[in-house]
Amino acid sequence: QVQLVQSGAEVKKPGASVKVSCKASGYTFTSYDIHWVRQAPGQGLEWMGKINPSGGSTRNAQKFRGRVSMTRDTSTRTVFMELSSLRSEDTAVYYCARDKYDSYDYWGQGTLVIVS
Amino acid sequence: EIVLTQSPGTLSLSPGERATLSCRASQSVTSSYLAWYQQKPGQAPRLLIYGASNRATGIPDRFSGSGSGTDFSLTISRLEPEDFAVYYCQQCGSSPYNFGQGTKLEIK
Repeated sequence: QVQLVQSGAEVKKPGASVKVSCKASGYTFTSYDIHWVRQAPGQGLEWMGKINPSGGSTRNAQKFRGRVSMTRDTSTRTVFMELSSLRSEDTAVYYCARDKYDSYDYWGQGTLVIVS
Repeated sequence: EIVLTQSPGTLSLSPGERATLSCRASQSVTSSYLAWYQQKPGQAPRLLIYGASNRATGIPDRFSGSGSGTDFSLTISRLEPEDFAVYYCQQCGSSPYNFGQGTKLEIK
């Protein structure tokens, strides 16, 4: 069965970086883009960007350009999202999600990142 | 960028009633790029509808989506207790792939 398993919660200081992983299983890893979406406490969903696991190309929201990096390791079927220059407003749950038919049919369990 | 505005912000209904949620886009969205998600507290979102009107795998037929251009809607024909949650629309046709701000469906 399809699964996206994310790394555990992180606590970071302002100005630091965080790297969240998302390990895929149960399907052909290179066949579907992976997107990253975040959700601040009590707030809505915010799209951050996406990566094509096959070629590694990315597209990020303008808001995060210069601060976010999305990479993949095909040998371990893992996608990574690194966010730098963290500030308190980056405190959120970060989700990875598989893109099928231009919508997200499978989601990771979420990774809480606290900046404090 | 395309802004999605959902209404109402909160919808209070009783089990068995019909719910209609609206999602209005600031620019035309190709129907194939409009999706709806359900999110319950402490859980990841769950895909309900893709391509504006296609139910995702395992989604009950009481959920239906419709619309085109700038106006889309999600209808739940007869509310079950497990349907009370927050619902988001999203467009994936034009980056950034924004979500609406959400509609909270609560028990009256």
